Amino acid sequence: QQPVQSPQAVILREGEDAVINCSSSKALYSVHWYRQKHGEAPVFLMILLKGGEQKGHDKISASFNEKKQQSSLYLTASQLSYSGTYFCGTGMEYGNKLVFGAGTILRVKS
Amino acid sequence: NAGVTQTPKFQVLKTGQSMTLQCAQDMNHEYMSWYRQDPGMGLRLIHYSVGAGITDQGEVPNGYNVSRSTTEDFPLRLLSAAPSQTSVYFCASSRQGISNQPQHFGDGTRLSIL
Repeated sequence: QQPVQSPQAVILREGEDAVINCSSSKALYSVHWYRQKHGEAPVFLMILLKGGEQKGHDKISASFNEKKQQSSLYLTASQLSYSGTYFCGTGMEYGNKLVFGAGTILRVKS
Repeated sequence: NAGVTQTPKFQVLKTGQSMTLQCAQDMNHEYMSWYRQDPGMGLRLIHYSVGAGITDQGEVPNGYNVSRSTTEDFPLRLLSAAPSQTSVYFCASSRQGISNQPQHFGDGTRLSIL
């Protein structure tokens, strides 16, 4: 079951904040976040494992609410380099598969 | 380290032709996967491998074959190409697991079937 990402697209000005959500109908063990620029490969940002932890990575952080089967990616003080498509990938416990959402297109304007 | 290397980068095929997409990694990763990416649909898993000699199906395996004779290589074969297989194909690898490990992606193969 593909996780649902929202919003589908967002446009920001430099310095603004954004939140991207990822929601699943199944119990999750892990949530991955990747960023993909046009014509390039997806690049790993972070993994969150079951336990409701929050992780940070410079000005990009994420949370995982396992009870609600939801994760959110927080981008603060956005930079032009943040532009791209963000994908969440969800994993089940003892599973060897990731199921990816359809992606959120983020565009940061100067 | 080159990471994950995919060849070719671009390919045009005619309906009914067969071909093999190559994927090699030099990180000694046990797990490797093939995904296809279509507009608006994200990445969908075709096949994956948990080690040399062991493969399994993903979400969309029909029309594709894989084998894993070495840790380094994980080729994807299209048996009889169809226009519905026009897509961008990504190979990924990870150390010990898929759901709990970062996935390292290759640069992709852009495949068009006429």
